[in-house]
Amino acid sequence: QKEVEQDPGPLSVPEGAIVSLNCTYSNSAFQYFMWYRQYSRKGPELLMYTYSSGNKEDGRFTAQVDKSSKYISLFIRDSQPSDSATYLCAMSTNSGGSNYKLTFGKGTLLTVNP
Amino acid sequence: DTGVSQNPRHKITKRGQNVTFRCDPISEHNRLYWYRQTLGQGPEFLTYFQNEAQLEKSRLLSDRFSAERPKGSFSTLEIQRTEQGDSAMYLCAGGQGTGTDTQYFGPGTRLTVL
Repeated sequence: QKEVEQDPGPLSVPEGAIVSLNCTYSNSAFQYFMWYRQYSRKGPELLMYTYSSGNKEDGRFTAQVDKSSKYISLFIRDSQPSDSATYLCAMSTNSGGSNYKLTFGKGTLLTVNP
Repeated sequence: DTGVSQNPRHKITKRGQNVTFRCDPISEHNRLYWYRQTLGQGPEFLTYFQNEAQLEKSRLLSDRFSAERPKGSFSTLEIQRTEQGDSAMYLCAGGQGTGTDTQYFGPGTRLTVL
């Protein structure tokens, strides 16, 4: 079992839809949770960063963390064609040192159709 | 734009050749990470620098791989005697080390080994 599981999709939605993306994880030491967006042949771009359980909102994006269930989500409201990309969840833990290396899910390929 | 640059953006080489990639983070990034991403997968951690010190290497980083960060500024990743299995996107990320260490990725170097 991989430490981070993410459904690779693909996911196709009409413009304006609410998109829900999810990841589960097995390592209870993960403390920091991130969502990155990656366009084809580009580097990942940080969208959201959360630390504690609960919700965090930024514009059309909401990140949710449920540490008790080891489950994180990203919601995209009023989705736009420009949101079409691969969405990667990532997690890290401070093992006592200074290395916050990220463990990623496989990524979910999202297409928003006009 | 994260301010992290990588060169070259694309590299095609023949099996057995040596290749070197460069990453230039912004000056505030005292932490620097290298990741490798293959098609359909999330990035995987390779190695981590704090300033000029290489503090952790993944077991993915075989003896053919070496990384340096002289003077704690730019970093290089060299692969000797390349193999077809080395074909991947090599990503560099910088972080400021302010506790939670949000990582900002460069555009990546895509390596194709023929």
